Amino acid sequence: SYELTQPLSVSVALGQTARITCGGNNIGSKNVHWYQQKPGQAPVLVIYRDSNRPSGIPERFSGSNSGNTATLTISRAQAGDEADYYCQVWDSSTAVFGGGTKLTVL
Amino acid sequence: QVQLQESGPGLVKPSQTLSLTCTVSGGSISSGGYYWSWIRQHPGKGLEWIGYIYYSGSTYYNPSLKSRVTISVDTSKNQFSLKLSSVTAADTAVYYCARESGADRGFDPWGQGTLVTVSS
Repeated sequence: SYELTQPLSVSVALGQTARITCGGNNIGSKNVHWYQQKPGQAPVLVIYRDSNRPSGIPERFSGSNSGNTATLTISRAQAGDEADYYCQVWDSSTAVFGGGTKLTVL
Repeated sequence: QVQLQESGPGLVKPSQTLSLTCTVSGGSISSGGYYWSWIRQHPGKGLEWIGYIYYSGSTYYNPSLKSRVTISVDTSKNQFSLKLSSVTAADTAVYYCARESGADRGFDPWGQGTLVTVSS
């Protein structure tokens, strides 16, 4: 089965840029979606199809995908960005999620 | 906008069947174009997709759970449901329902989630 690998944690200084990676075999050939989940809340879609932002998501959130790695980039990180982030793809008609990355804003 | 709300028992005994319903408001399941999924999250863990249903009744399940899962739809009530049989403590999780566009645009929106505990 297809696997997605994310770092357990990423730290970023307030106002700096955070990058969260999602690794998978030839993930560049798939559409990658990213979700933000704050404690006690449901996940929220922040990036779809590699680099598209849903309505209401700040421009500070961006994404890229190539080769074996997809990346979620959060510019000018704010305290409110502190959350768990999950990547997701479809493989053989099955939705697959990465293990999640905890973003800490210092 | 479309909103989803899970409902069902918060406590299920081992070996019994877990049953949850997701009520959709602000949009019609029968309008088509969307796939309606169940996703769960074990306490302190990541997300696991359980399966989806289309308004026509077509389903697809995660192979790891397929033998125990049934997802059904009631378009007259604008609801879809999850049944998970022969549950164990390992099925204790927050269960979410979510919509997917069918055009590979991600799950959006999600319900708030409901915690189901499997315990005697």
